[in-house]
Parts: sequence; structure tokens; C-alpha cells
Amino acid sequence: SQTIHQWPATLVQPVGSPLSLECTVEGTSNPNLYWYRQAAGRGLQLLFYSVGIGQISSEVPQNLSASRPQDRQFILSSKKLLLSDSGFYLCAWSQGPTTDTQYFGPGTRLTVL
Amino acid sequence: LAKTTQPISMDSYEGQEVNITCSHNNIATNDYITWYQQFPSQGPRFIIQGYKTKVTNEVASLFIPADRKSSTLSLPRVSLSDTAVYYCLVGLYNQGGKLIFGQGTELSVKP
Repeated sequence: SQTIHQWPATLVQPVGSPLSLECTVEGTSNPNLYWYRQAAGRGLQLLFYSVGIGQISSEVPQNLSASRPQDRQFILSSKKLLLSDSGFYLCAWSQGPTTDTQYFGPGTRLTVL
Repeated sequence: LAKTTQPISMDSYEGQEVNITCSHNNIATNDYITWYQQFPSQGPRFIIQGYKTKVTNEVASLFIPADRKSSTLSLPRVSLSDTAVYYCLVGLYNQGGKLIFGQGTELSVKP
């Protein structure tokens, strides 16, 4: 069966510090991968998605970036965090066309102080 | 992309059937309707997906009328553990995974 991992689970970072969140998927090959952010309250915002190694599409211009160095690895980064980057970051994967069912990881709670 | 409208919140009691309706008036021909469940501090979990008529699985049923401009998620005999936020999504085929999550419906199940 397929599993998706995210780490760290929680993170507290000062403003201006760098960020690296990692997501890995097991049990499948060539998945579509997604990064979402959920601010306080509800509603998920799609940040990036990838259909293959090195292929990244950005949905929201901001100080975050994503990379996919391996087939089942997706990384979310920032060179300098802002207070507004605080939130719940979720990684998801899907198999097949990019509108296929998406399966979400456990999430990373990021607090920028 | 089709926009969805759901009630912000609903209350229910254990053992009752809960129906959450979602409006998607501008749904396109190739759109599928998908429902997710999210518990606090967890990622959303896929519940059910359908295109038309009725779909049923071990967790819920999804009712879609002929015009497909709305859909209803039905949760039979809810328990306290069904307290969560439920999202209705309508996804266009080949739109780069651009599933739009709205505010969802916060379901509160009381004893």
C-alpha cells in the first residue's frame, strides 16, 4: 500500500530564517505531488504541484519554492521566512491524471515568530 | 473552475443520519465531485467521489441529481468521531490538479 510521510511534524522558526520541509511517498512510482498551505481556520491553498522529477508548477507567487529531486520526494523551501508563512503545510500525491483522487500526508505545523 | 458552496457548520447527534449539501451551479461536463474529511491538525482524507446518480461505499453515500448542479453527502448513523470538517470539491479533468478547497462544512456531533 502507498504511504506518504512529512517531516518535521512541527516547526518553530524565526522571521528571516530558511525553511526546508520534506515529503516522501512510498509504494508507488511517478506520482503527481502537491504542496498545500492551510492558514488558521479552514480552506487549503494549492502552492505547488509536480508531475515529474524537476517539473514544478507554482500556483501562488510568494517567497516559497519547491523542488522534486527524486521521483517520490518533494521539498518545500524558503530562503527567508515571513510571519505570514505560518500555517499548516500539507503534501499530497495522486496517481494518474492530475485531477485523480489526492491523498494527503500528516502535515507540518509551521510557526514563524 | 467550478465554485462550490456549502453550509459553514452543522450540528447533529449520535446515531442520526447527516446530509451535507454542496452547490456547484457551473459544474462542467467532465467534472467529478469529490468529498474529503479533515480532523484538526491532520491532512484531509478522501471519502467518496462520483459523477452522477448515486455512489455508496463503506463510509458514506453521495447523491447527485440529473442536472449535477448540487450534490449531497450522506453519513449514516454518525458518531462523535465523525466530528470534522467536510469539503466538497469539483475538479476539471486535465486542469493540473487544481482542486479548489473551499471553507468546508464543520460538522459537530453531540452525544
